[in-house]
Amino acid sequence: GENVEQHPSTLSVQEGDSAVIKCTYSDSASNYFPWYKQELGKGPQLIIDIRSNVGEKKDQRIAVTLNKTAKHFSLHITETQPEDSAVYFCAAVMEYGNKLVFGAGTILRVKS
Amino acid sequence: NAGVMQNPRHLVRRRGQEARLRCSPMKGHSHVYWYRQLPEEGLKFMVYLQKENIIDESGMPKERFSAEFPKEGPSILRIQQVVRGDSAAYFCASSPQGNYGYTFGSGTRLTVV
Repeated sequence: GENVEQHPSTLSVQEGDSAVIKCTYSDSASNYFPWYKQELGKGPQLIIDIRSNVGEKKDQRIAVTLNKTAKHFSLHITETQPEDSAVYFCAAVMEYGNKLVFGAGTILRVKS
Repeated sequence: NAGVMQNPRHLVRRRGQEARLRCSPMKGHSHVYWYRQLPEEGLKFMVYLQKENIIDESGMPKERFSAEFPKEGPSILRIQQVVRGDSAAYFCASSPQGNYGYTFGSGTRLTVV
């Protein structure tokens, strides 16, 4: 079955610096890769996603890159702000699997 | 356009009681997924349903847990004879087509005392 590994498990950055979170997936049939942000006591919120026919996608301070050959994808947050502090989850779904498989999560702390 | 609605937000049950968690998907979404999140852990897939059908229940414990998504009304996750280990946050997600656009609800936090 599909397996998603996420690193690092915790990440502390200074306000204004960039943060990068990396994930690898096992099933080459995966074709959709969303990223979720989860704040304390809340449900996961989709922040950006990418399909397998695209190598990079950007939305303001957030970008995601995908390397299908190496089977890894990354989340990049630039100019981090204290409100970016949260748990971030990557996920992958197979074309015919119809369920999201999540990484273990990254606790991001932005220090002001 | 309301998002995914889950209720109750918090549920306390004594050991041996039943817990019923409800999820109303977003308008236009016919695919529903349930996930469980233990404290300080990731989200683990439990079950995937479409209207009146269970598509994938590979993540459901073999006993005491069941799920349904009837033709009318919300999806229900039912846990019979709850034990302390069932204490967790249970999240529901819905999607329009089953392979993209998953939206999560705010979750039900179950505490078994």
